[in-house]
Amino acid sequence: GESVGLHLPTLSVQEGDNSIINCAYSNSASDYFIWYKQESGKGPQFIIDIRSNMDKRQGQRVTVLLNKTVKHLSLQIAATQPGDSAVYFCAENSGGSNYKLTFGKGTLLTVNP
Amino acid sequence: DVKVTQSSRYLVKRTGEKVFLECVQDMDHENMFWYRQDPGLGLRLIYFSYDVKMKEKGDIPEGYSVSREKKERFSLILESASTNQTSMYLCATLDRLLDEQYFGPGTRLTVT
Repeated sequence: GESVGLHLPTLSVQEGDNSIINCAYSNSASDYFIWYKQESGKGPQFIIDIRSNMDKRQGQRVTVLLNKTVKHLSLQIAATQPGDSAVYFCAENSGGSNYKLTFGKGTLLTVNP
Repeated sequence: DVKVTQSSRYLVKRTGEKVFLECVQDMDHENMFWYRQDPGLGLRLIYFSYDVKMKEKGDIPEGYSVSREKKERFSLILESASTNQTSMYLCATLDRLLDEQYFGPGTRLTVT
C-alpha cells in the first residue's frame, strides 16, 4: 500500500508471477482514478484509468479494481516481466472537469529474473 | 506521439538566483501542469494552466510563478531559489478527449 513516510513501499516478484499493487485514496468524491508507471530517470507514464461508475477495467496484461466502499484501488499485472520494474503510483481526480489530481506516494516493483 | 520536452534534465543553481524551467509540448493541448516530486511525498501540483495567459494555483504555489504566453510553452519561475526547492520538477499536458496526462522527462534542480 501507499506510504506516508520517506521509504517507498516495495514489492518484489519473480518473473512470470502476477503482481498486485494497492492504493488507498482519500476523497470519496473522486470520480476518476489513474495508475502511472515511472521508470528510473523518466517521467510518469499513463497505464490505465477507471471511472467511479465502474469497479473493474482491463487493459493489456493490467487490470484495475476499484472498491469505493473502502476507498481502495489496485493494479494487477499479469505475467510480470523485468521491464515492469518501476515505481507505480495511483492518482485520484477530485476536481471534476478541472482535472486536479492527488497522487499517491508510489510502490517500487522489482521483478527478479 | 505526444511529446513534452523540458529545457534541462539537470540544473544546479545558487540560493537567491532566479530560475526558469521551460516546458514545451507539440500536441496543441490546452491544459498544462507543473509538479514537483520529492521522496516520500509523491507528486504535488504547483501551478496549472488551461489556456494561454490563464493560470491557477495548485497545492504548493508558494515561491513559484508561471508564464503561459504561447499555447505550446509553460514556464515555471523560481523568483529567488531556496534550498528547499531542490527537487524533481515535472511538466505535464492533458489530452481532454482521452483524459490522459502526458509527462515530460523531468528536471532535477539542485539549489546550493
